[in-house]
Amino acid sequence: EPEVTQTPSHQVTQMGQEVILRCVPISNHLYFYWYRQILGQKVEFLVSFYNNEISEKSEIFDDQFSVERPDGSNFTLKIRSTKLEDSAMYFCASSGGARGYTFGSGTRLTVV
Amino acid sequence: GENVEQHPSTLSVQEGDSAVIKCTYSDSASNYFPWYKQELGKRPQLIIDIRSNVGEKKDQRIAVTLNKTAKHFSLHITETQPEDSAVYFCAASIGGGNKLTFGTGTQLKVEL
Repeated sequence: EPEVTQTPSHQVTQMGQEVILRCVPISNHLYFYWYRQILGQKVEFLVSFYNNEISEKSEIFDDQFSVERPDGSNFTLKIRSTKLEDSAMYFCASSGGARGYTFGSGTRLTVV
Repeated sequence: GENVEQHPSTLSVQEGDSAVIKCTYSDSASNYFPWYKQELGKRPQLIIDIRSNVGEKKDQRIAVTLNKTAKHFSLHITETQPEDSAVYFCAASIGGGNKLTFGTGTQLKVEL
């Protein structure tokens, strides 16, 4: 069964540093997403991406966040200047539109 | 925007009993309602989903019901087993590649 893969599985970074989280969506999917889950809380939508541009973003997705699809396979989330409150599990997901969403295994980001 | 409420936040049942988790949504345009099971530190795993053109869907011990008029949907697990213990999230989407809005989660504990 096709999978969404994410790297790294765990990232520890100093406050104020930039991090890039990487995702390889399912190859024939057209829609890509980033979600965030703070420990013990619900999964929160950050951003959706379609046709090489952001289609929707939440209020969480402020100027410190950006997404890119630098080539035909990767989908990245960049956090420019990390804050303690950015510590969370970040999930990438992709969908084919009419079909369900597939989530990656997540990147646990710890900001110290 | 869409708002999804989920109840209860915790649910403890005896092995073999049934468990019911309920969600309500606010956006009448929502037409896709998946349920996810999340084990500690893992990704959300889709267990069942329903679209707004049907009222009920069943897959072995799991069923989902949808009441579009009342804007609520429920997950039913029968003959619960210890391995059903996890956090369950409902979600809603207007489909077509749009984001999922998640409920706050239900910690299900199946006791021997």
